[in-house]
Amino acid sequence: NAGVMQNPRHLVRRRGQEARLRCSPMKGHSHVYWYRQLPEEGLKFMVYLQKENIIDESGMPKERFSAEFPKEGPSILRIQQVVRGDSAAYFCASSGQGREKLFFGSGTQLSVL
Amino acid sequence: SQQGEEDPQALSIQEGENATMNCSYKTSINNLQWYRQNSGRGLVHLILIRSNEREKHSGRLRVTLDTSKKSSSLLITASRAADTASYFCATEAHYGGSQGNLIFGKGTKLSVKP
Repeated sequence: NAGVMQNPRHLVRRRGQEARLRCSPMKGHSHVYWYRQLPEEGLKFMVYLQKENIIDESGMPKERFSAEFPKEGPSILRIQQVVRGDSAAYFCASSGQGREKLFFGSGTQLSVL
Repeated sequence: SQQGEEDPQALSIQEGENATMNCSYKTSINNLQWYRQNSGRGLVHLILIRSNEREKHSGRLRVTLDTSKKSSSLLITASRAADTASYFCATEAHYGGSQGNLIFGKGTKLSVKP
């Protein structure tokens, strides 16, 4: 009975490379959320997706960032041409139909050199 | 500015003591949630209190909500070293229907010394 699974756990990229972060929601959950956390900060909402649909992307930077949640497979957060400021912990969460309580994964720590 | 602001930023207590953390928010809410985060890990949902509730208990946790003051408190009784973590309050960004777009404060870092 796995919870929210994120991989990789740690990701190191050089400036200009692409970063792909994966998230498999908890079984039976169809709502996926991505959050970003900087050191000593709270989590900041990025995007909310359902299968094949982006519901709310109000927290996503306008450029270089994209997210998808395909019909089959995990949700992907993609960051193109990474910069040092993208270094952060990225957390995925999922919820069931109630959508009030979020279940979080362990996060992906992205380090941009 | 933060919707949820926790206070204090850091709290250090001895095992067995009670720990109280506060949270203030700015807009109307349907509910307020508290989460816990161990170092380097994801958040774990602790408790949700609805706007029409004033107090809620779960094990050693007690949460209060004062909508007139737009504030909430989390009390952990008889603390243990394992309670050492950061604690965050969260409210939904869109009043009238949670979309999972939660606004988190910066958290209170609790340290419980054995």
